[in-house]
Amino acid sequence: DTAVSQTPKYLVTQMGNDKSIKCEQNLGHDTMYWYKQDSKKFLKIMFSYNNKELIINETVPNRFSPKSPDKAHLNLHINSLELGDSAVYFCASSQPGSSPYFGPGTRLTVT
Amino acid sequence: AQSVTQLGSHVSVSEGALVLLRCNYSSSVPPYLFWYVQYPNQGLQLLLKYTSAATLVKGINGFEAEFKKSETSFHLTKPSAHMSDAAEYFCAVSEGTGANNLFFGTGTRLTVIP
Repeated sequence: DTAVSQTPKYLVTQMGNDKSIKCEQNLGHDTMYWYKQDSKKFLKIMFSYNNKELIINETVPNRFSPKSPDKAHLNLHINSLELGDSAVYFCASSQPGSSPYFGPGTRLTVT
Repeated sequence: AQSVTQLGSHVSVSEGALVLLRCNYSSSVPPYLFWYVQYPNQGLQLLLKYTSAATLVKGINGFEAEFKKSETSFHLTKPSAHMSDAAEYFCAVSEGTGANNLFFGTGTRLTVIP
């Protein structure tokens, strides 16, 4: 059973398009996250979401918006995609005081 | 604010040799510290974590790390490298009582030479 799953695994799209990446966790965790890993492998948190409280990294453009239909899901919607959005996006989840459990990642390529 | 510095973006060792990956942190409060491993085209897997208990932390796959407050370090070691250890290793820090938002270092790519 996959603890944290993401779909799609690969996403290739053109500049200006709007796309979503889905994330689901079956661990019963209260907090979910989105991280971005750039071409230099640098990982940076984008959002954390806990009981409807969204904490946003202030450096994230407002073209990015997380949406949580329920506790087990945190989807990432991206508007007006730009070349610089190309990266690997990781979803993660955790309980208070525990280390995040990461999903397999979604490689986004914007052409 | 917290941050992590990993010295050496690329480390090469011979199979059977000692692995030492360096991590120094900066935190205004007692930190939680983590090492994650990323195999090619895969997600991150937790190797070990320090959460203010024992300063020497043992993890999976024979890895361990020692928290040294005086040196603000959390270096990762393994006595004998195996070919399967070749991967990208990330040190991370979070503040306070939770392990919510992790701040990652830039990673160290470990190559194991047969």
